[in-house]
Amino acid sequence: DVKVTQSSRYLVKRTGEKVFLECVQDMDHENMFWYRQDPGLGLRLIYFSYDVKMKEKGDIPEGYSVSREKKERFSLILESASTNQTSMYLCASRPPGQGTFGYGYTFGSGTRLTVV
Amino acid sequence: DQQVKQNSPSLSVQEGRISILNCDYTNSMFDYFLWYKKYPAEGPTFLISISSIKDKNEDGRFTVFLNKSAKHLSLHIVPSQPGDSAVYFCAASANYQGGKLIFGQGTELSVKP
Repeated sequence: DVKVTQSSRYLVKRTGEKVFLECVQDMDHENMFWYRQDPGLGLRLIYFSYDVKMKEKGDIPEGYSVSREKKERFSLILESASTNQTSMYLCASRPPGQGTFGYGYTFGSGTRLTVV
Repeated sequence: DQQVKQNSPSLSVQEGRISILNCDYTNSMFDYFLWYKKYPAEGPTFLISISSIKDKNEDGRFTVFLNKSAKHLSLHIVPSQPGDSAVYFCAASANYQGGKLIFGQGTELSVKP
């Protein structure tokens, strides 16, 4: 089974801090994604990457950046954390190709980030 | 612009009965539709999907129905079990968008013994 591991389950950070959320997958997937989940809003796409050193903005990229230096690792960076970035952050991966779209993503367990 | 909508935030069903979760979409270019299940403090897990060229897909107790003319899909769970209590997300993807998933808001299902 594909495993997607997010380094922290819970994080508490102060406003203005630079925050790194790490995600590692072990199945050599090219495609990786970062979502945030908020009540009543579902999962919203922040950034995604189709390969190493490639990144694309999702629907809500403001206040975030990403890094993909190695295929297995996709990092989400909050440049200056704010209270409205308190959320559940979910990383996902998927193999490439249109034939895989129907199988969906494999998600990590999530990081619950609280910014105070 | 919410391309995938789940208009019912919650649903309560008696154990053994049918659960029907609904989802509407606006983009006629979607190629795949998927359902994910999420327990608290866990990531979503893939449940079942359907291609846009089909109108029904079945997997055990779970069946997804797609009505393209109405831009509507539904997930049926029969019979419902207490372990099915979770948040269910509908998602859709389009090949021209690289297959990225667009999710609905989620419906919290509670199955009571």
